[in-house]
Amino acid sequence: AQKITQTQPGMFVQEKEAVTLDCTYDTSDPSYGLFWYKQPSSGEMIFLIYQGSYDQQNATEGRYSLNFQKARKSANLVISASQLGDSAMYFCAMRGPNAGKSTFGDGTTLTVKP
Amino acid sequence: GAVVSQHPSRVICKSGTSVKIECRSLDFQATTMFWYRQFPKQSLMLMATSNEGSKATYEQGVEKDKFLINHASLTLSTLTVTSAHPEDSSFYICSASRVVSYEQYFGPGTRLTVT
Repeated sequence: AQKITQTQPGMFVQEKEAVTLDCTYDTSDPSYGLFWYKQPSSGEMIFLIYQGSYDQQNATEGRYSLNFQKARKSANLVISASQLGDSAMYFCAMRGPNAGKSTFGDGTTLTVKP
Repeated sequence: GAVVSQHPSRVICKSGTSVKIECRSLDFQATTMFWYRQFPKQSLMLMATSNEGSKATYEQGVEKDKFLINHASLTLSTLTVTSAHPEDSSFYICSASRVVSYEQYFGPGTRLTVT
């Protein structure tokens, strides 16, 4: 069975500063994908970044980077230069082999302060 | 990226009536679609997985007869909430996936309110 743990229900960050959102996972599958999604108050799920279990390098997408530490089973999201528009709920998710169903964490609500 | 639409975005219905929510993949063929339910400030809860042309696989605790899912084509899946009650009020989100990709593409969600 897969499990995603996000231990930070809420986080605050000052505008223009960097913030790290924690995510640990557990799975017995050797092949899997890790995702981060942003969900603003509108409700839509916005894909941010993807890391494959066999990827050697940490994924980056603009201001988003994924700090992937496979041995520790962690996949933390780093947002650099926070903006007010980054205020939202963030979900870490995992998808197993054969592109099956995803497992989501409980989410972290990020608030960016001006 | 790929686009998934959901219709309607909001719906209010009376208790005892049925509501149908459509999920469409607009620019790709979705071999698998997923239906989620989300309560305020909570995570997404997977309700069922549907593959085109076959019966949906429901998660434990989800009533098959209450939440009817049909995946008639590679671009359309529907969720029908039958005999809706106020406790069915929630945010319903669909996502679509291609076999060759780990990624899944989410629809914008449907907010259902049962009065």
